Amino acid sequence: AQSVTQLDSQVPVFEEAPVELRCNYSSSVSVYLFWYVQYPNQGLQLLLKYLSGSTLVKGINGFEAEFNKSQTSFHLRKPSVHISDTAEYFCAVTYSGAGSYQLTFGKGTKLSVIP
Amino acid sequence: DADVTQTPRNRITKTGKRIMLECSQTKGHDRMYWYRQDPGLGLRLIYYSFDVKDINKGEISDGYSVSRQAQAKFSLSLESAIPNQTALYFCATSDSRQGNTEAFFGQGTRLTVV
Repeated sequence: AQSVTQLDSQVPVFEEAPVELRCNYSSSVSVYLFWYVQYPNQGLQLLLKYLSGSTLVKGINGFEAEFNKSQTSFHLRKPSVHISDTAEYFCAVTYSGAGSYQLTFGKGTKLSVIP
Repeated sequence: DADVTQTPRNRITKTGKRIMLECSQTKGHDRMYWYRQDPGLGLRLIYYSFDVKDINKGEISDGYSVSRQAQAKFSLSLESAIPNQTALYFCATSDSRQGNTEAFFGQGTRLTVV
């Protein structure tokens, strides 16, 4: 079975400061990893995904994440946040092999950007 | 128009009532999913369907049923709604031909059971 732990439920940060949202996963098999963002009263939008290859993944809105297999982590970073980045962020994992596909989500991290 | 459409967007219903949430997609994907979101709990999988004849229970299927009427349509039913089913419900799709490398979500249905 796979699981995802988002280490911080809420992260306040000042505008233009850097931010890191932490995600650790557990799985006995190869995985795909995702970060989704949910703006208030909206659905989920894919920020970025790691499937294979380079461990540094760049996504939309200036976000990036690094896959670290030895630490089973997939932390999300942005060097300078904006007010518009205020949202809830979800890390998710799925098995990368053929067959069953079930996205398992973390509990989410609420990012609040302070003016 | 949205690729994954959920109706209704908001619904208030009484305890014991039967309610159906509907999802339709224009992406041509074969796989569809229903998730439930509760504050502080993230998204949890209720049911998923790999094609019209293949429906599977997720981690929290008790109290729910689903119907895959066509490749593009996947509905979720609460046979007898109870207050702890108050939540935000999301439908999602993925494409097995693309290796299921991304799920696409609808805008969500906010359900309140009183």
